[in-house]
Amino acid sequence: EVQLVESGGGLVKPGGSLRLSCAASGFTFSSYTMNWVRQAPGKGLEWVSSISSTSDYIHYADSVKGRCTISRDNTENSLFLQMNSLRAEDTAVYYCVRDVVFAYWGQGTLVTVSS
Amino acid sequence: DIQMTQSPSSLSASVGDRVSISCRASQTISRFLNWYHQKPGKAPKLLIYAASSLQNGVPSRFSGSGSGTDFTLTITNLQPEDFATYYCQQSHSAPFTFGQGTNLEIK
Repeated sequence: EVQLVESGGGLVKPGGSLRLSCAASGFTFSSYTMNWVRQAPGKGLEWVSSISSTSDYIHYADSVKGRCTISRDNTENSLFLQMNSLRAEDTAVYYCVRDVVFAYWGQGTLVTVSS
Repeated sequence: DIQMTQSPSSLSASVGDRVSISCRASQTISRFLNWYHQKPGKAPKLLIYAASSLQNGVPSRFSGSGSGTDFTLTITNLQPEDFATYYCQQSHSAPFTFGQGTNLEIK
């Protein structure tokens, strides 16, 4: 069974940093592009970033470019999102999602940016 | 970047109705279009991929059509569990943008 479990969310002050993690199991992690997708409270879905299976191709939404870094560890079946210079508008549930057709999602981790 | 525009933004319907939701891409995406629905507090669920392919386990009352820039999700014989928010998403090229969502409510 495919499982994606996010962690690392929490309350952080504006300008602060957080590192989100996603532990994957139940599939060959090293074969898949992985993504972060977020959803602000009461708002729609926003794709944030993707990383190819071997980390050769990385993309970011304009809203986080320059402030976030996606990475992965295929030996540990883990996906990461380093988030810096956080803003109030980054407040959202962050989902770890497999592949470019988003059939498998984690349960999400809440990031709250507030003073 | 490819922009995705859904219509309507909200829709009221009754159990047993047939409804359609439209999604338009700002440039051609062939058939790289997927549909999801989401219930409050839950992760989205994939319904349709590649414009018209039904995801495993999704009831056949859901169907998708279209190619190029214009796509439609149709739900026939609406069931109580279908009242949710629906999103389209293009998987043609990064950024893998979503539509703004359609809130399907019970009339």
